[in-house]
Amino acid sequence: DAGITQSPRYKITETGRQVTLMCHQTWSHSYMFWYRQDLGHGLRLIYYSAAADITDKGEVSDGYVVSRSKTENFPLTLESATRSQTSVYFCASSEQLAGLQETQYFGPGTRLLVL
Amino acid sequence: SQKIEQNSEALNIQEGKTATLTCNYTNYSPAYLQWYRQDPGRGPVFLLLIRENEKEKRKERLKVTFDTTLKQSLFHITASQPADSATYLCALDITGSRGYALNFGKGTSLLVTP
Repeated sequence: DAGITQSPRYKITETGRQVTLMCHQTWSHSYMFWYRQDLGHGLRLIYYSAAADITDKGEVSDGYVVSRSKTENFPLTLESATRSQTSVYFCASSEQLAGLQETQYFGPGTRLLVL
Repeated sequence: SQKIEQNSEALNIQEGKTATLTCNYTNYSPAYLQWYRQDPGRGPVFLLLIRENEKEKRKERLKVTFDTTLKQSLFHITASQPADSATYLCALDITGSRGYALNFGKGTSLLVTP
């Protein structure tokens, strides 16, 4: 049971490059999420998806793009990476119960450094 | 604006004592509140969920209270152990235009010393 995986685990890129972070879950959870975590800011929501082809912006979505063509995958793309996007990125998934998503299961994170 | 506030300073306690962490919120009407644990270099792990109509929830040595009038949740770890040392995050549900998500507090770091 693989659960939720993220790749790559570590990434170094340069300003202006496009970067895609991958997230894959094996539970068929309807909801998936992307967060970034920075010192002093905690965990902040970038995008979430309630189901395949349904996505919505979170608190810090500028500069990021997501897609969800399949339930199990939720890639996050930085269209033109900036130094301020250096962070640890976490993907999460959850089931939908009684109309609400509940417990979230997090991946191991991707550490991204933008030079 | 919506805010979730947790003790910004680290909490240091002695093994065997009860640790109490606080989560306060403003401008939310949550259906539930969740607590997560995060160890260094790892993703958060779910601990407990308490609904708006529940006052208290317990799981082994963990206890959560939820006061929607005070807009506060308290998270207790009884008989604390050094292995309980971690950062603890509270989270509230939010309703977006296309579904539901969670907003997290910044977390409180707990250090339990022998």
